[in-house]
Amino acid sequence: AQSVTQPDIHITVSEGASLELRCNYSYGATPYLFWYVQSPGQGLQLLLKYFSGDTLVQGIKGFEAEFKRSQSSFNLRKPSVHWSDAAEYFCAVGGGYGGATNKLIFGTGTLLAVQP
Amino acid sequence: NAGVTQTPKFQVLKTGQSMTLQCAQDMNHNSMYWYRQDPGMGLRLIYYSASEGTTDKGEVPNGYNVSRLNKREFSLRLESAAPSQTSVYFCASSDVGGTEAFFGQGTRLTVV
Repeated sequence: AQSVTQPDIHITVSEGASLELRCNYSYGATPYLFWYVQSPGQGLQLLLKYFSGDTLVQGIKGFEAEFKRSQSSFNLRKPSVHWSDAAEYFCAVGGGYGGATNKLIFGTGTLLAVQP
Repeated sequence: NAGVTQTPKFQVLKTGQSMTLQCAQDMNHNSMYWYRQDPGMGLRLIYYSASEGTTDKGEVPNGYNVSRLNKREFSLRLESAAPSQTSVYFCASSDVGGTEAFFGQGTRLTVV
């Protein structure tokens, strides 16, 4: 079955520290992978996406993610976290009929807190 | 540039009442989706419409109906609301073969 696992429900980091959010997926076909961010009371904003090619992808707000097929992972990283990065982060996989964004499957999310 | 607009933003219903959540997009996208978000469960697909005139069930369709009114609008109806339908509902749209799904701001629904 297709699924996305985000093993960390809640993470707290200090401002300026590095960040890595984990994402593992199970998908029968070539996966299209996404990271979204949700600020409190807001909708979801796309941070970055991987379709093919270079396995290290750059996104907005200084985020990057690395696709590792052998580990079925797509971890999100940021070298130095800012207080404004506090939010909930969702990993998602797509690729069904109709295109990459059809019937996205989301992980359960990781809530990031940033302490001064 | 509005993107995906959902109405209402907040709603409280009594058990058994009905209501329709509205969604409109102005990006000329073919595909539209309804998701629900519950704590600890991420987003789950309720229904989707790959193109105007078509709708299909997602992961959690029970208790809901949808209408793809035209290319712009995709509504979600709760015929007889239940407390289990208390959730935040998100509408999204994308183009067929597109590389990004755009989300609305959500509707926070409470059923008492």
